[in-house]
Amino acid sequence: DAKTTQPNSMESNEEEPVHLPCNHSTISGTDYIHWYRQLPSQGPEYVIHGLTSNVNNRMASLAIAEDRKSSTLILHRATLRDAAVYYCILRDQTGANNLFFGTGTRLTVIP
Amino acid sequence: DAGVIQSPRHEVTEMGQEVTLRCKPISGHNSLFWYRQTMMRGLELLIYFNNNVPIDDSGMPEDRFSAKMPNASFSTLKIQPSEPRDSAVYFCASSLRGLVGYTFGSGTRLTVV
Repeated sequence: DAKTTQPNSMESNEEEPVHLPCNHSTISGTDYIHWYRQLPSQGPEYVIHGLTSNVNNRMASLAIAEDRKSSTLILHRATLRDAAVYYCILRDQTGANNLFFGTGTRLTVIP
Repeated sequence: DAGVIQSPRHEVTEMGQEVTLRCKPISGHNSLFWYRQTMMRGLELLIYFNNNVPIDDSGMPEDRFSAKMPNASFSTLKIQPSEPRDSAVYFCASSLRGLVGYTFGSGTRLTVV
């Protein structure tokens, strides 16, 4: 599986935007970019995914570089409830069941 | 929808005892996954099922671990005999094959003393 690289940790002030980066230089043409997050003492939850175009949903936005070798998860207005570990994962377009989690980025939101 | 339901939430057992973790996936989902999370190794995929059939169990650490899915609404992960190094949080997740997201349960925190 193609690997992803994320910073170990980031901080953000409450109510400010947060940009969480992810590098995936070995991404293949059939890999989707997925983001999950894990709140304290909970299981991971799906956030967003994309292939080439930028994507928006009620939770976040996903900006994908033109060469697809990097992407950024954008939380438009961080709240204390957004403090979590955020995982960037590549998943083959066929939807093969091989969702492998890396170490993720631990986001701390400062009141 | 109650989501993915795991039981028990916490389990403390003595080394050598048998431990059984249970999972009820979301109704209609046809794929089920067992993950283990530790500080040292993060989230590891242990095994997954499609339509109740085990597809890939290469992540199962040893023969002491076994998983079953007797029907579409129930799965178990059994450790026999348990060892202290099995202490971890075990997550079950389910999905509908072809759809995007996995739904995870709240996990079972296992402590083997």
